[in-house]
Amino acid sequence: AQSVTQLGSHVSVSEGALVLLRCNYSSSVPPYLFWYVQYPNQGLQLLLKYTSAATLVKGINGFEAEFKKSETSFHLTKPSAHMSDAAEYFCAVIPAAGNTPLVFGKGTRLSVIA
Amino acid sequence: DAGVTQSPTHLIKTRGQHVTLRCSPISGHKSVSWYQQVLGQGPQFIFQYYEKEERGRGNFPDRFSARQFPNYSSELNVNALLLGDSALYLCASSLRAANYEQYFGPGTRLTVT
Repeated sequence: AQSVTQLGSHVSVSEGALVLLRCNYSSSVPPYLFWYVQYPNQGLQLLLKYTSAATLVKGINGFEAEFKKSETSFHLTKPSAHMSDAAEYFCAVIPAAGNTPLVFGKGTRLSVIA
Repeated sequence: DAGVTQSPTHLIKTRGQHVTLRCSPISGHKSVSWYQQVLGQGPQFIFQYYEKEERGRGNFPDRFSARQFPNYSSELNVNALLLGDSALYLCASSLRAANYEQYFGPGTRLTVT
């Protein structure tokens, strides 16, 4: 069965600092991996996805993530945090062969301090 | 183009009542999935429908049911509401049955008192 672990339920960074949100997955088959962002009182917006092409994936709003099979990780990064990045971030996984539903992590709340 | 729409936005119900939540997918999308997001948790899968047939069901009791209509819109029904059903209910649509390109709606916030 697939699962996702997000390390740190809350991360706080200063404006302009590096953002690093951690995600580790377990999957018995090659996975597809996703990062979603949720702003207060809104639904989920897809930031980026890994579907077995390039291991470094670039997404919207300056975010990127690197798939590392040896570490079973898919950490999300952004070089310079902006106040508007404050939100809840969810990592999710499905098997690549997949007609199974997304399995989400518990989420990481990102706070950006001025 | 319009995204995924859900109605109502907010809903307050009493324990034991029944509720119907509605979802309209992106035009051309034939798959609709429902997720429950309890406060402080990630979304959990409830149902997927594709071409009006149930394609998957999560670990939820039989009080939860859903259907998809010929225009691909969908309803989620919950009977005999419990306090623990209070959550944000998210609908997601995709073009095909495979779920690696899902687009989420804004959700319906259900409060059970």
